[in-house]
Amino acid sequence: DTGVSQNPRHKITKRGQNVTFRCDPISEHNRLYWYRQTLGQGPEFLTYFQNEAQLEKSRLLSDRFSAERPKGSFSTLEIQRTEQGDSAMYLCASSPDRVGNEKLFFGSGTQLSVL
Amino acid sequence: AQSVTQPDIHITVSEGASLELRCNYSYGATPYLFWYVQSPGQGLQLLLKYFSGDTLVQGIKGFEAEFKRSQSSFNLRKPSVHWSDAAEYFCAVAPGEYGNKLVFGAGTILRVKS
Repeated sequence: DTGVSQNPRHKITKRGQNVTFRCDPISEHNRLYWYRQTLGQGPEFLTYFQNEAQLEKSRLLSDRFSAERPKGSFSTLEIQRTEQGDSAMYLCASSPDRVGNEKLFFGSGTQLSVL
Repeated sequence: AQSVTQPDIHITVSEGASLELRCNYSYGATPYLFWYVQSPGQGLQLLLKYFSGDTLVQGIKGFEAEFKRSQSSFNLRKPSVHWSDAAEYFCAVAPGEYGNKLVFGAGTILRVKS
């Protein structure tokens, strides 16, 4: 068990550019979540997957955001035409079964800075 | 809608002193409550959770929390703080054991002075 892995750890981009983050969940975990955390705030739910199916999306997830989880393994989160307001820590978490919340394992996050 | 309030943005305690971090929630039904800790450069780690039953729950690292329905609170406590406890602590609520998302408070940063 190597934990939830997120890459890159840090990303600096210019406004208007596209960025993509990757999350590798713990093996065999069928649920995968994305959260966003801005400075001075707690994490906010963005979306989650049950295997390869994206089952829920927050209203925070604008049209510029898209998440995928092909084959129910790793997941990617893409932000198109980044804006300065997208600067945040993007956290990924996974859980092994339907009792999801009590066994939510978080990665260390990807820190995005949009200049 | 669920919400979580952590009234204290920063708390400083002396090493060896007791600690209490406050958390108040707003939720219509019986909530599922959690405390997470986040150290710099680290992911969130679950300290403890309350689903039902005994309102005093024990967690890892010597932490405990008490659920008080009448006060809509779920305060985190530790009798003797260690320097390694310095971190940010988040209270969270979920709509149920099978809930799909957590609603987090804004966090409390704990500083420990020697």
